[in-house]
Amino acid sequence: QSVLTQPPSVSGAPGQRVTISCTGSSSNIGAGYEVHWYQQLPGTAPKLLIYDTTYRPSGVPDRFSGSKSGTSASLAITGLQAGDEADYYCQSYDSSLSGPWVFGGGTKVAVL
Amino acid sequence: QVQLVQSGAEVKKPGASVKVSCKTSGYTFTNYGITWVRQVPGQGLEWMGWINIYNGKTNYAQNLQGRVTMTTDRSTSTAYMELRRLTYDDTAVYYCAMVQGLSIENSFDPWGQGTLVTVSS
Repeated sequence: QSVLTQPPSVSGAPGQRVTISCTGSSSNIGAGYEVHWYQQLPGTAPKLLIYDTTYRPSGVPDRFSGSKSGTSASLAITGLQAGDEADYYCQSYDSSLSGPWVFGGGTKVAVL
Repeated sequence: QVQLVQSGAEVKKPGASVKVSCKTSGYTFTNYGITWVRQVPGQGLEWMGWINIYNGKTNYAQNLQGRVTMTTDRSTSTAYMELRRLTYDDTAVYYCAMVQGLSIENSFDPWGQGTLVTVSS
């Protein structure tokens, strides 16, 4: 059971918009800690996609965006492409015994 | 550019130890941290711990306390993760990643390519 909860899978047609939620608690996201998102393409190492909740590293398309509200964060992918099929993980700091750093369980994005 | 290159795959027997290396280049080693994350095949990411290279302090996941040790060699800009008393549940791909600073809120970027550790009798 992950400290941060993500849906196991989301799917969408090419060109559509999908969102992935990351639900935490008052000891992590709700405490105001930053959220980071990672993309893991099949057979590869994770790659930083969004840092500090809303910022994109150089080279990440602006089709990817992050947001946060209360104890939850979200990753949105617009203009979905076949190359976006991957696993996506959220990560944050946690002040409870689970931490200090915790990941969500991961969400598999499928492009129909 | 910043690179993290990990050592090769390992096969270990239950009860043995494994030490994975992570050689870094392209940045000032002591200005950042190194974290270790593992992934059981087909499952999610599990944070294992990190080392603040500047002051050498470590912080390990509670479930690995007493079995894991993270160290560095400043002369070669290399980080190490040793896991002892291996069980079949430790079969996983082990990743190192650069912590983007020395703050608790920093992200992990970039990552090493991963090292598969297989525990088998």
